[in-house]
Amino acid sequence: DAKTTQPPSMDCAEGRAANLPCNHSTISGNEYVYWYRQIHSQGPQYIIHGLKNNETNEMASLIITEDRKSSTLILPHATLRDTAVYYCIVRVKGYNQGGKLIFGQGTELSVKP
Amino acid sequence: EPEVTQTPSHQVTQMGQEVILRCVPISNHLYFYWYRQILGQKVEFLVSFYNNEISEKSEIFDDQFSVERPDGSNFTLKIRSTKLEDSAMYFCASSEQYKDTQYFGPGTRLTVL
Repeated sequence: DAKTTQPPSMDCAEGRAANLPCNHSTISGNEYVYWYRQIHSQGPQYIIHGLKNNETNEMASLIITEDRKSSTLILPHATLRDTAVYYCIVRVKGYNQGGKLIFGQGTELSVKP
Repeated sequence: EPEVTQTPSHQVTQMGQEVILRCVPISNHLYFYWYRQILGQKVEFLVSFYNNEISEKSEIFDDQFSVERPDGSNFTLKIRSTKLEDSAMYFCASSEQYKDTQYFGPGTRLTVL
């Protein structure tokens, strides 16, 4: 699985958009970008994933650059409850593989009032 | 919304004792996983399980560890002879066949004295 690089920490004002970047310059053609978050030692929580098109769900949007070497997770209106460590994970999506997730250090997002 | 549950939430044990951590995955999921997180460190993959057998395990998952699906609902992690360095949060996760998103439980905090 390709390696990812994320800033160790970011701040965001409550109500504003939080834009979390991730670099994955060695991503290969069949690897997806997944985002999870972990709120204060709780179990990691799935947010969103994508291959090359931008994706949006009720939690967030995922913007993947055309060359797929980087992506940005966008929380459109951050709240205090979005304070968490956010992990960008690149992996092959295996419908029958049940493959492991490899977590890095992630980005610690602090949403401030 | 269905969720992964884990018991106990906190387990304290003496070094050398055996512990069993329990998980109830989401009911229609077929892939099961254990991860651990030592305090202040990354979430680490331990083992994945499918069709009543281990599909992948990490170097951490040595002979002192074992997993079992004793019935149709539970998935357990057994640590035979606990060491101080086994103190960590242990997370269970599950995923559906043909969908690769893993859903995590709230974790069991294991403290080895």
